Amino acid sequence: SAVISQKPSRDICQRGTSLTIQCQVDSQVTMMFWYRQQPGQSLTLIATANQGSEATYESGFVIDKFPISRPNLTFSTLTVSNMSPEDSSIYLCSVEWEGKLFFGSGTQLSVL
Amino acid sequence: GENVEQHPSTLSVQEGDSAVIKCTYSDSASNYFPWYKQELGKRPQLIIDIRSNVGEKKDQRIAVTLNKTAKHFSLHITETQPEDSAVYFCAASTSGGSYIPTFGRGTSLIVHP
Repeated sequence: SAVISQKPSRDICQRGTSLTIQCQVDSQVTMMFWYRQQPGQSLTLIATANQGSEATYESGFVIDKFPISRPNLTFSTLTVSNMSPEDSSIYLCSVEWEGKLFFGSGTQLSVL
Repeated sequence: GENVEQHPSTLSVQEGDSAVIKCTYSDSASNYFPWYKQELGKRPQLIIDIRSNVGEKKDQRIAVTLNKTAKHFSLHITETQPEDSAVYFCAASTSGGSYIPTFGRGTSLIVHP
């Protein structure tokens, strides 16, 4: 399987600030995704990170709030902008590898 | 779009018992059904998956069954152990093209020693 490194693993942030989460894969992958997992909840897709073009966002998520970069086939970032306590969650990057979905270790974000 | 229902939300068993988690899906075009295990504070890990061309797949104590006609699939864990305690997620997707699975809401499995 692909090895996915995600950082930071956790952070505590102040309301109104922004946090950028990085995701690095050890192999070139076509499909990279960003998920949110609120406490005790399932996995909700935020967006598909497209290499060389704008990300594709799911209903309820917008680029101004969650800008995403995908400069190459092994790296992506997700920024959580102008944070509020409601953004406190686990954010996970994931990749499709040989037809299967694998997840990074996640970023646990707490917003005060 | 696809809708995946998962039951039960919580399952408590004694060590050595079997555990069964059931999922239903709505999109008849779905043909790939993975299961993930998420231990507390860790990433979801793919534990087993099944494609629509088979009805059952086994891997040691874990098995998955699929009924395409009824649009439901199940995870079976035999001889449960305390380390099986985790949240399990089912998912459904259409492989090929833009692969985006839809996840169930999860089942918290507790195995009592």
